[in-house]
Amino acid sequence: DSGVTQTPKHLITATGQRVTLRCSPRSGDLSVYWYQQSLDQGLQFLIQYYNGEERAKGNILERFSAQQFPDLHSELNLSSLELGDSALYFCASSALDRANNEQFFGPGTRLTVL
Amino acid sequence: SQKIEQNSEALNIQEGKTATLTCNYTNYSPAYLQWYRQDPGRGPVFLLLIRENEKEKRKERLKVTFDTTLKQSLFHITASQPADSATYLCALEDTGRRALTFGSGTRLQVQP
Repeated sequence: DSGVTQTPKHLITATGQRVTLRCSPRSGDLSVYWYQQSLDQGLQFLIQYYNGEERAKGNILERFSAQQFPDLHSELNLSSLELGDSALYFCASSALDRANNEQFFGPGTRLTVL
Repeated sequence: SQKIEQNSEALNIQEGKTATLTCNYTNYSPAYLQWYRQDPGRGPVFLLLIRENEKEKRKERLKVTFDTTLKQSLFHITASQPADSATYLCALEDTGRRALTFGSGTRLQVQP
């Protein structure tokens, strides 16, 4: 158990809908990272927050947004969903605001868009 | 363009042998490299981090080498066990983006 929690575990929705994925980092970790993993794309970095501020951005679509709250939990919002958004979404946390330290991954949310 | 390459073909070895996985990269100048293990449907788990000046790092049955001239890292598991069967991912810092970029991973299958 990494100490990172993600809800829900599974999500099934329809095209055009909007969903919110939630992540709680390990106790004491200030950085939260979001990744998307699909079969054909591998693990893709989406966005990072550190202590409430956006710190790094990957190839995140404009339809996607995220935020980190004062209690350090984070939410990833996906809107106008398309079939291609079906994937595993992972949240990871780390203590520091830089990539050269280990990241602790949550169990993921499996999103299926029908 | 930047690229991280790991052998997409599964590596099948017999229990007790040494598994060697390769990570090659182009157009990166990483100061460090990380290796993660991922089991099906689960989140990656951090294994080792090696810095550019370390050349080799060990942790129990794991050994990682880092050759910045060849732009390659090798990941070894000695005395492999069926429980070592998983996908192994290497990751580099994406220069200027303060984020990790992961390779596509190599699936290791250890036969009893």
